[in-house]
Amino acid sequence: DTEVTQTPKHLVMGMTNKKSLKCEQHMGHRAMYWYKQKAKKPPELMFVYSYEKLSINESVPSRFSPECPNSSLLNLHLHALQPEDSALYLCASSQAGTVINQPQHFGDGTRLSIL
Amino acid sequence: RKEVEQDPGPFNVPEGATVAFNCTYSNSASQSFFWYRQDCRKEPKLLMSVYSSGNEDGRFTAQLNRASQYISLLIRDSKLSDSATYLCVVNNRNYGQNFVFGPGTRLSVLP
Repeated sequence: DTEVTQTPKHLVMGMTNKKSLKCEQHMGHRAMYWYKQKAKKPPELMFVYSYEKLSINESVPSRFSPECPNSSLLNLHLHALQPEDSALYLCASSQAGTVINQPQHFGDGTRLSIL
Repeated sequence: RKEVEQDPGPFNVPEGATVAFNCTYSNSASQSFFWYRQDCRKEPKLLMSVYSSGNEDGRFTAQLNRASQYISLLIRDSKLSDSATYLCVVNNRNYGQNFVFGPGTRLSVLP
């Protein structure tokens, strides 16, 4: 069983809808990530939060809005998405700081389809 | 040049074969190295971290060559259940929490 929990597992939405993806971890990790993954491609980094502050935004369009309410939760708010945004959205967490050899742990993802 | 590169694959091998995957990285300041496996339509799962002295976990052996900026993964006595995409991941925490993924190598173990 994954230690990073994502909801919902599947989401179908229209281009005018507003929805949110949620991620939760209880491993005491202080770094959390959002990735987008298209078929047959590796995960593509979107956002990184470190100690609840946004530390990396990989030039993601503003129709994706991340939020980190506390050290265990990470949200991704979606608004006015395009069909090309259909993908698997993965949340991950890891130790923060400069300790090496600390891997990321992934949730099982939300499969998003934009109609 | 991409920051992390892997064998393009796919690799199709019979059960019981030994298969090796290669990964190169361009950032000499990279500090942490990992192999993940990803099954179709599933999330990446950590297979093993890669340590400087090399490390082994059952049928899996990982090696790191910092001078050549090269990582390898060896799978012995391959099983049908080893069929997956293998992702090489490199991290340099001096650049924040940035884990860089290679493109992945697809393995199919055939009966």
